Amino acid sequence: DGGITQSPKYLFRKEGQNVTLSCEQNLNHDAMYWYRQDPGQGLRLIYYSQIVNDFQKGDIAEGYSVSREKKESFPLTVTSAQKNPTAFYLCASSMVTSWAGELFFGEGSRLTVL
Amino acid sequence: GENVEQHPSTLSVQEGDSAVIKCTYSDSASNYFPWYKQELGKGPQLIIDIRSNVGEKKDQRIAVTLNKTAKHFSLHITETQPEDSAVYFCAEGNDYKLSFGAGTTVTVRA
Repeated sequence: DGGITQSPKYLFRKEGQNVTLSCEQNLNHDAMYWYRQDPGQGLRLIYYSQIVNDFQKGDIAEGYSVSREKKESFPLTVTSAQKNPTAFYLCASSMVTSWAGELFFGEGSRLTVL
Repeated sequence: GENVEQHPSTLSVQEGDSAVIKCTYSDSASNYFPWYKQELGKGPQLIIDIRSNVGEKKDQRIAVTLNKTAKHFSLHITETQPEDSAVYFCAEGNDYKLSFGAGTTVTVRA
């Protein structure tokens, strides 16, 4: 079945450590996105990529990094510079590079910093 | 999100009753208004969307209305069922940006 796979589902990290969240899609979508979800807040955009080897900062990119070496993959690294990394992270993809189209989300990765 | 306000933040309804969630926005250039449903432990899923050239769209028990003059749009769920319990997000945008509301937690009481 086509879809988006995020891993791991749960991740614990000590302060000062970098962690990488995986996102893979087999929908053949050009665009991929990373969102952060905190209780009582909407989805906030971290980074997005509309084509391989290119990506753009979203609204809250500080303390995060991404790469887009393959169309299917868009990993997110949460660095030690991110001051409040505990959150639920959602990866998404879309068929078109316009923002006015359906986003397909993965099931999320919950990161807890101890 | 900063660009779109969503109300209420929580909504409890009796099974079979209707649920209404309202969002207001400020950018007059917005022309795309989707609604996403997020079930517990899952990612959001698009349930309905509307573009600014129409005022209402319906899909079975859900409908969305748009008032571009007043800059607000609403999600209506009729004959609510237990499986409608979820978090609902509105969003607004255009070809170049998309902003999400803070979400509404809907609980359908049996």
